[in-house]
Amino acid sequence: ILNVEQSPQSLHVQEGDSTNFTCSFPSSNFYALHWYRWETAKSPEALFVMTLNGDEKKKGRISATLNTKEGYSYLYIKGSQPEDSATYLCAFNDAGNMLTFGGGTRLMVKP
Amino acid sequence: DAGITQSPRYKITETGRQVTLMCHQTWSHSYMFWYRQDLGHGLRLIYYSAAADITDKGEVPDGYVVSRSKTENFPLTLESATRSQTSVYFCASSERATNEKLFFGSGTQLSVL
Repeated sequence: ILNVEQSPQSLHVQEGDSTNFTCSFPSSNFYALHWYRWETAKSPEALFVMTLNGDEKKKGRISATLNTKEGYSYLYIKGSQPEDSATYLCAFNDAGNMLTFGGGTRLMVKP
Repeated sequence: DAGITQSPRYKITETGRQVTLMCHQTWSHSYMFWYRQDLGHGLRLIYYSAAADITDKGEVPDGYVVSRSKTENFPLTLESATRSQTSVYFCASSERATNEKLFFGSGTQLSVL
């Protein structure tokens, strides 16, 4: 069982604040790192799939970076809005195996 | 409409009963997955399938059975439901196994009394 850790577990920010959270994963046998956004009462939706060390992905105000050598990825949200409130999941793929999900970071953005 | 659908949306059953959760996708994706949502664990993989008639265990397979006679369907059966199987179950699909994003169904909330 692979250890995929996300921190913090939950985060409260004010509208307009920028924020970031971390996903840590094993640094060996890296294949891919996924980020998903999961709104309450809905199903998870993919944000990014990252495969190369140094990868940076961006989607609107959300961006992610990847460091496979040290085993971490950061997700950044610039100028948080109430509609960004959700749980953000990362998932790690090592070669030949299925995704292992972290426990998620629950983000709440106050208007 | 194209997509991935799960049924039922909600299910209440009793300990010891057999329950089947259905999953259907219209994309002809090769890979299909069953996850359960557990507090503090995020999503944990129960079973997955690489193609019709090919299935394999995930992290938490005990007490579950799957089949995949057709590419588009991937039912999950709880042979004798236990209270510890109370959870939200998500089916997902992807074109390939690893570096392709997953598409999730809307989930089945199962309560075992």
